[in-house]
Amino acid sequence: ETGVTQSPTHLIKTRGQQVTLRCSSQSGHNTVSWYQQALGQGPQFIFQYYREEENGRGNFPPRFSGLQFPNYSSELNVNALELDDSALYLCASSPRDRGVNLYEQYFGPGTRLTVT
Amino acid sequence: AQSVTQLDSHVSVSEGTPVLLRCNYSSSYSPSLFWYVQHPNKGLQLLLKYTSAATLVKGINGFEAEFKKSETSFHLTKPSAHMSDAAEYFCVVSGPYTGGFKTIFGAGTRLFVKA
Repeated sequence: ETGVTQSPTHLIKTRGQQVTLRCSSQSGHNTVSWYQQALGQGPQFIFQYYREEENGRGNFPPRFSGLQFPNYSSELNVNALELDDSALYLCASSPRDRGVNLYEQYFGPGTRLTVT
Repeated sequence: AQSVTQLDSHVSVSEGTPVLLRCNYSSSYSPSLFWYVQHPNKGLQLLLKYTSAATLVKGINGFEAEFKKSETSFHLTKPSAHMSDAAEYFCVVSGPYTGGFKTIFGAGTRLFVKA
């Protein structure tokens, strides 16, 4: 069974550019969440996708957007990059059921984004 | 609204002594609660979870946590610390809220283990 994978592992972008980060969820998981972890801080929830629809969002501006595909893989897109967007971006997948129960989340290794 | 407060940013113990990492939470709904550990340059690993079953939850590596609704606490304990336990620990609450679903991480507690 393959765990959660993310690509790329590292990325350097310039302020104002756009970036796309990718995540492959663990087999059998239908829910994907994205987090931003700044250096020395806890992960901050960006949003969650359940069966290809966004169904939860943290306090992030609209320039943070995402997609979930039929195979439950996901993308995080960030437009108009700012210096403060420099962080580790984590993806997590979960086998959530049809109700509101969220089982434990399994995290990928993250993508380290540096904005200069 | 949901929130998580980890009461100690740093905890230092000697090897072989008990560990207590404190977490208080706030939630408008019955939440799911988790503890995760993050070793340096490693990914986040689930230690244990509470999802409205038994209030005393056992996890991996000898860790356990007790859910106390009256105190809105979910403290993490281990009877005897090991050097390999040195890491960052996060208390996490997940659940529905108006408009969807949200997961909130605490700020983390850095555990130091002295030989």
